[in-house]
Amino acid sequence: AQSVTQLGSHVSVSEGALVLLRCNYSSSVPPYLFWYVQYPNQGLQLLLKYTSAATLVKGINGFEAEFKKSETSFHLTKPSAHMSDAAEYFCAVSLTSGTYKYIFGTGTRLKVLA
Amino acid sequence: EAQVTQNPRYLITVTGKKLTVTCSQNMNHEYMSWYRQDPGLGLRQIYYSMNVEVTDKGDVPEGYKVSRKEKRNFPLILESPSPNQTSLYFCASSLLAGVGGEQFFGPGTRLTVL
Repeated sequence: AQSVTQLGSHVSVSEGALVLLRCNYSSSVPPYLFWYVQYPNQGLQLLLKYTSAATLVKGINGFEAEFKKSETSFHLTKPSAHMSDAAEYFCAVSLTSGTYKYIFGTGTRLKVLA
Repeated sequence: EAQVTQNPRYLITVTGKKLTVTCSQNMNHEYMSWYRQDPGLGLRQIYYSMNVEVTDKGDVPEGYKVSRKEKRNFPLILESPSPNQTSLYFCASSLLAGVGGEQFFGPGTRLTVL
């Protein structure tokens, strides 16, 4: 079965430090990949997406992610964390072979320390 | 304003009392979907719809029904709610499925089943 794994349900970083949130997927066919962010008491909004163009994808708020097919990974990074980045982050895949499901990871809650 | 709306935003009900959560989008999107969000489990897809009168099961469809009679609306029906359906529900829409389309999420409906 297709799956998305996010390592680390909680990640803490200091303000100004590198943010690295990990996502691995399992799929025999490279899917479309997404990162969404959820701020407290809100819905989800798109940070960035990979759709088989450039492997390094830039998103909003200084985030970027790199698609690595050999590692089946799509890790999210930001060079310098800001307090406003504190939120929950979800990696997701859109399946394209035989089904049109979306599968989300279990989420990583990012805490930014002053 | 382009948006996905859900009603009600909060609902407390009792076991076995049928309820409907409405979802509407004004973006002329073909793809619509329902998710439930539970702590530690991320978002899990309940049902999705590729277009009017075309629906399919997600990963957790048991206990739920949907219908898509109009392109803009995609209600979620719980015929006989049970306490294990207490959750935060999100409706989402996307222009197309299977081509890496971004999903736009509603604000969520928090359901409590006593």
